[in-house]
Amino acid sequence: DGGITQSPKYLFRKEGQNVTLSCEQNLNHDAMYWYRQDPGQGLRLIYYSQIVNDFQKGDIAEGYSVSREKKESFPLTVTSAQKNPTAFYLCASSMSRNTEAFFGQGTRLTVV
Amino acid sequence: AQKVTQAQTEISVVEKEDVTLDCVYETRDTTYYLFWYKQPPSGELVFLIRRNSFDEQNEISGRYSWNFQKSTSSFNFTITASQVVDSAVYFCALSEANRDDKIIFGKGTRLHILP
Repeated sequence: DGGITQSPKYLFRKEGQNVTLSCEQNLNHDAMYWYRQDPGQGLRLIYYSQIVNDFQKGDIAEGYSVSREKKESFPLTVTSAQKNPTAFYLCASSMSRNTEAFFGQGTRLTVV
Repeated sequence: AQKVTQAQTEISVVEKEDVTLDCVYETRDTTYYLFWYKQPPSGELVFLIRRNSFDEQNEISGRYSWNFQKSTSSFNFTITASQVVDSAVYFCALSEANRDDKIIFGKGTRLHILP
């Protein structure tokens, strides 16, 4: 089935460690996005990418990094520089600019 | 600046009542796109509708309807004869055609349908 797969569903990280969240899509979409969701904050954009090997910072990129080496994959690394990383992370993709985005099931990251 | 406001943080209605979720947006572009998404307890956002700025026709899909009014910069969502399965968080979103392709979301409205 076509869709977006995020893994893992739950992730625990010790303070000071980097961790990478996986996002894969088989929809042949050009654009991919990472959002962070906190209670009462809605979805905030971390990074987005319109084509392979190119990506732009969103509104809250500090402490995060991404890569887009393949069209299907857009992994997000939460670095130790991110002060408050505990949150629900959502990956999305869309066919082209201004079309609807389709979302993965999310990864819940907890710092312990 | 690009902005989406969902003033209703949380709404509770009794099953079978109608309910309207408000969405007000700000944009400098003349060409833009508006979206509604549903987030059930499972967490995955489900796309409901996309509307471009040149199409002000209201849309109806089963029990769902959308009222787009450019004059008031609003894109409201009404659920008729609500059901318990409609309980979720609903997000309104905006993207501007001539800018940097970001999709900006409102903070969402949590809807409780009481049996």
